[in-house]
Amino acid sequence: ETGVTQTPRHLVMGMTNKKSLKCEQHLGHNAMYWYKQSAKKPLELMFVYNFKEQTENNSVPSRFSPECPNSSHLFLHLHTLQPEDSALYLCASSQALAGVVLGEQYFGPGTRLTVT
Amino acid sequence: RKEVEQDPGPFNVPEGATVAFNCTYSNSASQSFFWYRQDCRKEPKLLMSVYSSGNEDGRFTAQLNRASQYISLLIRDSKLSDSATYLCVVNIGGGSNYKLTFGKGTLLTVNP
Repeated sequence: ETGVTQTPRHLVMGMTNKKSLKCEQHLGHNAMYWYKQSAKKPLELMFVYNFKEQTENNSVPSRFSPECPNSSHLFLHLHTLQPEDSALYLCASSQALAGVVLGEQYFGPGTRLTVT
Repeated sequence: RKEVEQDPGPFNVPEGATVAFNCTYSNSASQSFFWYRQDCRKEPKLLMSVYSSGNEDGRFTAQLNRASQYISLLIRDSKLSDSATYLCVVNIGGGSNYKLTFGKGTLLTVNP
C-alpha cells in the first residue's frame, strides 16, 4: 500500500462524456502530480501542484483540467477526449522544496482510461 | 539528444545472472538521479536513489558519472522476482522545475 489512492481504477468513456479522476494522498506531502503513461512511451508529466498552487502545466490540452482543493486531494477533469488520450493516468505525491523533489515520488495505482 | 535515454532492451537472462542497465541524460544541471521499478500493469516504485559516490543495496549497485552524464544499475544474482521494467529517472531541480524526467524503461525478464 503506497499511501496514494486513485479512483476509479478503470474508466471507459465516450468522446462526448465528462468524467473526473480522483487522487488522494495520506503521506503529508506538499506536492502532487498527474502523469500520463502510454504504451511504448516514457511517463509524461502533465501537471504539478505545490501547496495547492499549480506550478507546472506541460502543454497539456485544455480538455484535461486539474483541480487541487487541498494538499491531499487532486482531481483531473476530463471532457471531449480523443481516442489517443487512452492511457494509464498516474497520480503521485512527494515533498518538494524550491523546485526540487525531495526523496521519492510515491505513485498511486493509476486509472486505466479508454476513450471510445 | 533525448533528455533521458536508456538501453532499449528487452533483457532476457537466466536466474543467477548479472545484468547491467545504462542510462544517459542530456542536462548537465541535473541534480538527483533514481532508478524506479515498474511491474506489469502496476505503478512505478522507487528502487534506489543514485549518489555521486555510488551506492549499493543488497544485490543492486547504482553508479553515477557526472562527467559523462551516465547512470548505471547492476543487478547481481538475478531472481525471478527481479523481472520488471527499470526506469531511469532524473530531476533537474532548481528554479520552479519539479520535473522528474523518466526514461522509456528497460524490460528485464529473468528466466528459470
